[in-house]
Amino acid sequence: SAVISQKPSRDICQRGTSLTIQCQVDSQVTMMFWYRQQPGQSLTLIATANQGSEATYESGFVIDKFPISRPNLTFSTLTVSNMSPEDSSIYLCSVRDREGSNQPQHFGDGTRLSIL
Amino acid sequence: RKEVEQDPGPFNVPEGATVAFNCTYSNSASQSFFWYRQDCRKEPKLLMSVYSSGNEDGRFTAQLNRASQYISLLIRDSKLSDSATYLCVVPGGFQKLVFGTGTRLLVSP
Repeated sequence: SAVISQKPSRDICQRGTSLTIQCQVDSQVTMMFWYRQQPGQSLTLIATANQGSEATYESGFVIDKFPISRPNLTFSTLTVSNMSPEDSSIYLCSVRDREGSNQPQHFGDGTRLSIL
Repeated sequence: RKEVEQDPGPFNVPEGATVAFNCTYSNSASQSFFWYRQDCRKEPKLLMSVYSSGNEDGRFTAQLNRASQYISLLIRDSKLSDSATYLCVVPGGFQKLVFGTGTRLLVSP
């Protein structure tokens, strides 16, 4: 399966600041997915990032708070803006090895974010 | 009914036991299903894919009941290393996956 690298692996940030998380894949993929996993919860999809078009956000997530870039087929960034303690979560990017909505996704190691 | 529903557990079992988890889903049109395993403070990792009535991989068996809209995961001869949270995953709308809240398994010596 694709090798997915996320940076940073963890960070502790002050409220009101912003952090950009990078996701690099070792192969070209059409879609990249960004998830959030809050403490004790399951994964929630934030948005789907397609190269060459704006990201598609899920209900409850907006571009102003979570701007996403997708400059090419192997890279994406997620920014968590104007952070508050409620944004303390693990943020994960994922891709599919093969196209098709019935294919599983594989995840990066995740970024553990704590907001003071 | 929630899109994906799992018993959160925890399931506490001794080594060598057989344990089964169930997961119910609401979208009757779903064609594929997945079980992921997530260790504490790690990313989820794909355990099994289920595209037809079931799938078997060593000690792990997944079964699909489309009529009742549930998927089960059976683990035989449990090992200490099987202790983890098991996530049931179902395709949602366009291209997305919906994750269950997970079932926690604790295997003790």
